[in-house]
Amino acid sequence: ETGVTQTPRHLVMGMTNKKSLKCEQHLGHNAMYWYKQSAKKPLELMFVYNFKEQTENNSVPSRFSPECPNSSHLFLHLHTLQPEDSALYLCASSDRIGNQPQHFGDGTRLSIL
Amino acid sequence: EDQVTQSPEALRLQEGESSSLNCSYTVSGLRGLFWYRQDPGKGPEFLFTLYSAGEEKEKERLKATLTKKESFLHITAPKPEDSATYLCAVQAENYGQNFVFGPGTRLSVLP
Repeated sequence: ETGVTQTPRHLVMGMTNKKSLKCEQHLGHNAMYWYKQSAKKPLELMFVYNFKEQTENNSVPSRFSPECPNSSHLFLHLHTLQPEDSALYLCASSDRIGNQPQHFGDGTRLSIL
Repeated sequence: EDQVTQSPEALRLQEGESSSLNCSYTVSGLRGLFWYRQDPGKGPEFLFTLYSAGEEKEKERLKATLTKKESFLHITAPKPEDSATYLCAVQAENYGQNFVFGPGTRLSVLP
């Protein structure tokens, strides 16, 4: 399997639930990113990891908690989300931090009830 | 305030009708400008990188150009399979290692 894989592809959860999004890359990259894509808004960078170390937290609310156990895996733990958090969450990777191109997964479509 | 804008927001073309998409930016110290294509239900797919004014890149029916304030994505004789949302992203000195994306242009090519 190649590229960037995200699971699940779709997720519906209540505001009090706890869930996790998973991202896995098979490209040998060292940098991984979480983005939020809302309707008619630009992609918003949420978190950046470089060699498993978080280098950027773009003022993201604490109800989003990232985890990067190794350079190939990235998680986004979700708890007590709000309806405005409904969006497409995209994971990306690049060979080194700040390098292009970034390779994106197909995202998790999250809906908060 | 730094920003990246794209126009038009949406564009409908007939097959074979050439046109251009615009990405305008107001940043200091541009490091690079990047074009992506995003199909419905998919993540963005990288198309081009441009680093300096005057640079051009081509791929099939697409050509990207860069000036000091904007980039154009020219689409020559488009086909229905070119229908997608086209995103531009900018990397600048004051963004550190990060990229700022524009809102995208949604292109529809009708047969």
